[in-house]
Amino acid sequence: DAKTTQPNSMESNEEEPVHLPCNHSTISGTDYIHWYRQLPSQGPEYVIHGLTSNVNNRMASLAIAEDRKSSTLILHRATLRDAAVYYCILRSGGSNYKLTFGKGTLLTVNP
Amino acid sequence: DAGVIQSPRHEVTEMGQEVTLRCKPISGHDYLFWYRQTMMRGLELLIYFNNNVPIDDSGMPEDRFSAKMPNASFSTLKIQPSEPRDSAVYFCASSKGTPTAEQFFGPGTRLTVL
Repeated sequence: DAKTTQPNSMESNEEEPVHLPCNHSTISGTDYIHWYRQLPSQGPEYVIHGLTSNVNNRMASLAIAEDRKSSTLILHRATLRDAAVYYCILRSGGSNYKLTFGKGTLLTVNP
Repeated sequence: DAGVIQSPRHEVTEMGQEVTLRCKPISGHDYLFWYRQTMMRGLELLIYFNNNVPIDDSGMPEDRFSAKMPNASFSTLKIQPSEPRDSAVYFCASSKGTPTAEQFFGPGTRLTVL
């Protein structure tokens, strides 16, 4: 799987938007972009995924650059519960079910 | 639904002992994954099953590790003999259908090998 680069940590304030960046300059045309997060002492949980177009769900938005070499996870109004490690993962297409987790970004939310 | 269930939640054992970790996936899910998380190596996929059949075990570290899925509602990960370097949090996850489907993770089993 292609590699992703994320900042080690980011900080935000409660009720403000958060933009979590991910660089994936070696992405191939069939690679999907997945985001998971891991709250303290819990298993990871799915946030969102996309291929080429921007995606929205109840939890977040995913903005994908036109050249697909980067993407941004957007939390529209951060809450204390959003404090977690956020993982940006590239998964090759086809029948590949493997997710390869990197180190992720530790998001701290200040009250 | 109760989500993915793992047992035990914590296990402390001595080097050389056999350890068995258990997982009950979400009903109706046809894929089951075992992951291991350590500070040094992060979160790694060990093995995954489709319809109870192992599909990819390339992440299993060595022959001391084995995983089985005797039926759609139960899987085990066994370590025999255990070593201190096996200390980690082991997660089980399940999903349904396509590769893009959300993987639902269990709460994990924290294993400490003394």
